[in-house]
Amino acid sequence: DAKTTQPTSMDCAEGRAANLPCNHSTISGNEYVYWYRQIHSQGPQYIIHGLKNNETNEMASLIITEDRKSSTLILPHATLRDTAVYYCIVRGTGANNLFFGTGTRLTVIP
Amino acid sequence: GAVVSQHPSWVICKSGTSVKIECRSLDFQATTMFWYRQFPKQSLMLMATSNEGSKATYEQGVEKDKFLINHASLTLSTLTVTSAHPEDSSFYICSARTQGATEAFFGQGTRLTVV
Repeated sequence: DAKTTQPTSMDCAEGRAANLPCNHSTISGNEYVYWYRQIHSQGPQYIIHGLKNNETNEMASLIITEDRKSSTLILPHATLRDTAVYYCIVRGTGANNLFFGTGTRLTVIP
Repeated sequence: GAVVSQHPSWVICKSGTSVKIECRSLDFQATTMFWYRQFPKQSLMLMATSNEGSKATYEQGVEKDKFLINHASLTLSTLTVTSAHPEDSSFYICSARTQGATEAFFGQGTRLTVV
């Protein structure tokens, strides 16, 4: 069963920041938040993950609320190649697999 | 990030034949590999999990005799779709993770079309 809720779709203007929200109100203490994206007809690509602190890497930033019930993935300067389906996934350290929900289809508009 | 390669990228086969899909971790040892299936406009559905040297664990509703999984080495897992039928046409994706790692890395997927 999905543990996350994401908007079905979003648009973002090229060059602007894309902020993708995710609700995970039932997240437990040992569960991480992972973000992957899937460009059309390709395998998912790992973006970032975090537990409770905000994280940043070369691709994106992950902002997790203090109560950990929601998070936001930020692509600071969206490009056309960022058009993809973005999946927010919660997984505990003891769990094996990743459960993919329906994700958010992000369309970057020129 | 780590690289996972699938082969072939796409395959067309006749109904009733078997097809083998390979998944390789190129620069790390994959202690655990996962096989997913994705139908058009749907999300990824986990089919099975395999640990190197062990039998795969299949998700409910996935026929283990139809989808044969072998994970004989730390860098290679194979999925064989036996006696394929048109309803098996789908996008098959593998992912791999090394022991102790928190993230898994995905192959580029294999599009199977059964005619």
